[in-house]
Amino acid sequence: KAGVTQTPRYLIKTRGQQVTLSCSPISGHRSVSWYQQTPGQGLQFLFEYFSETQRNKGNFPGRFSGRQFSNSRSEMNVSTLELGDSALYLCASSFQGGGWNSPLHFGNGTRLTVT
Amino acid sequence: AQTVTQSQPEMSVQEAETVTLSCTYDTSESDYYLFWYKQPPSRQMILVIRQEAYKQQNATENRFSVNFQKAAKSFSLKISDSQLGDAAMYFCALTLTNTGNQFYFGTGTSLTVIP
Repeated sequence: KAGVTQTPRYLIKTRGQQVTLSCSPISGHRSVSWYQQTPGQGLQFLFEYFSETQRNKGNFPGRFSGRQFSNSRSEMNVSTLELGDSALYLCASSFQGGGWNSPLHFGNGTRLTVT
Repeated sequence: AQTVTQSQPEMSVQEAETVTLSCTYDTSESDYYLFWYKQPPSRQMILVIRQEAYKQQNATENRFSVNFQKAAKSFSLKISDSQLGDAAMYFCALTLTNTGNQFYFGTGTSLTVIP
């Protein structure tokens, strides 16, 4: 079974641009969540989608948005990039959407660098 | 609000020895789950072990075990017979049963295994 696939692995963007990151969950998984990982803040929850609906949202500005398609694939978009958005963005999928009984499976992440 | 604190940014252990990583957390909820995740240089987060808060018995997975002290809100990870492949960043995490896949992570402990 293929794991969680995130594309691209690396991105370099300029401040003010926008970016879209993609995540393909494990086949059969309906929940996809996104995390931002930085050295200073650690991992911070961005949002979670379950069956195409955003179920939870972390404390990030509206520049961060996402969506989930009918095949459970998810995209995350960041508009008007700022230098502070440089981070590793991790996607995780799970079968039922409750991490306590349905472990998260993480992708390898997308490393975004904003210059 | 939920917080997870890992007070040891870096730890080292001799191969075949035992090491304990510390984690404390804070939540006013009574129903929650605790996890340890491992992130090797490949960047992919891997579940190491999980603990249900309502269970008093400490979880064990092969060489990995936890010491769960609910009253003290402490959740430490013990790695026995350390192996070179255990070298990684270790994250302690908490999730509530009513917030889907919103996990609260600590800032991580970097474990070095000395041959």
